[in-house]
Amino acid sequence: DAKTTQPPSMDCAEGRAANLPCNHSTISGNEYVYWYRQIHSQGPQYIIHGLKNNETNEMASLIITEDRKSSTLILPHATLRDTAVYYCIVRYTGTASKLTFGTGTRLQVTL
Amino acid sequence: EAGVVQSPRYKIIEKKQPVAFWCNPISGHNTLYWYRQNLGQGPELLIRYENEEAVDDSQLPKDRFSAERLKGVDSTLKIQPAELGDSAVYLCASSHGTSGRGDEQFFGPGTRLTVL
Repeated sequence: DAKTTQPPSMDCAEGRAANLPCNHSTISGNEYVYWYRQIHSQGPQYIIHGLKNNETNEMASLIITEDRKSSTLILPHATLRDTAVYYCIVRYTGTASKLTFGTGTRLQVTL
Repeated sequence: EAGVVQSPRYKIIEKKQPVAFWCNPISGHNTLYWYRQNLGQGPELLIRYENEEAVDDSQLPKDRFSAERLKGVDSTLKIQPAELGDSAVYLCASSHGTSGRGDEQFFGPGTRLTVL
């Protein structure tokens, strides 16, 4: 699986958009970009995934650059409950491909 | 729907003692995973089951770790004997086993193991 690079930490004011970047310059054509988050003392939680088109769901939006070498997870209106570690993972879809977690980005949402 | 259930949530043991963790996946999920998460790190896969079969155990330290999923539902992960370096959170996850959204992994809350 391709390696990802994320900033170790970010801050965001409550109510503002949180934009979490991820670099995955060695991604291959069939690999998807997945995002999970882990709130303190909980297991990771799936957020969203995409291949090359931008994706949106009830939790977040995923913007993938045209060359697919980087992506941004957007939480449109961050709340205190969004404080967590966010993991960007590149993998092939299907259970045969494991999730390889890095160290993620610790997002702190403040009042 | 009920989520992935793990027990115990916390366990403190002395080194060289045995310990076991239990996981009940989401009903109908064929694939079950055990991960280990060290402090400040992301989870690392230990073993993956497809029904009863362990299809990826390449990262499981087989000298002291063992796992089973006898009826293809719940699973047990055992460490015998435990070492100080085994202190970590042990996470169980499950997925439906199909491609697309179906391979989204659902995680339990984990068992925090402390070895003294």
